[in-house]
Amino acid sequence: GDSVTQTEGLVTLTEGLPVMLNCTYQTIYSNPFLFWYVQHLNESPRLLLKSFTDNKRTEHQGFHATLHKSSSSFHLQKSSAQLSDSALYYCALSDLHMGYKLTFGTGTSLLVDP
Amino acid sequence: GGIITQTPKFLIGQEGQKLTLKCQQNFNHDTMYWYRQDSGKGLRLIYYSITENDLQKGDLSEGYDASREKKSSFSLTVTSAQKNEMAVFLCASSIGQGNQAPLFGEGTRLSVL
Repeated sequence: GDSVTQTEGLVTLTEGLPVMLNCTYQTIYSNPFLFWYVQHLNESPRLLLKSFTDNKRTEHQGFHATLHKSSSSFHLQKSSAQLSDSALYYCALSDLHMGYKLTFGTGTSLLVDP
Repeated sequence: GGIITQTPKFLIGQEGQKLTLKCQQNFNHDTMYWYRQDSGKGLRLIYYSITENDLQKGDLSEGYDASREKKSSFSLTVTSAQKNEMAVFLCASSIGQGNQAPLFGEGTRLSVL
């Protein structure tokens, strides 16, 4: 079945350094929809980014990601981490053929130190 | 603006007890979901519903029942709470197309004694 892999459980870095959180996926369908959600402490997950177009960069709130179907990847990046970026980040996958199911990865906790 | 309301926010149960969690949304969304969140395991889909009175099993449906009595509400029942179980249950809703990201409620935190 469909799956999403986030290899890092925890990423710790210093404020000002670049952020890259990995996301790869598996699906038999050729037109996946990929999402990044962010969840701050004691809050619910909220949408950060989404993309459906191959090789097109999408940006929001300083974060960006590019869907690469050739490598089945949708990595999340930011040029300079801020303390307020500390949160849990989920990558998720959907497809029209999957109906309405959204499959999530296991999440990556980002901790930004001063 | 719309809102997804989950009740209760905190739920403490006893082993073997049947527990019901409720979710209401006023977005007029067709599709509603129940996810379970455990540390290190991500968000796992329990049940979802694409319209009133519809139910679809997710990957984690065993041990749970669900009910979509009307478009705006979706309830989840833990049929027999497991001792020392701790998890967050998240309700979400969307307009139901694959490219639309669901919106989440604040969650119900379950502890079983």
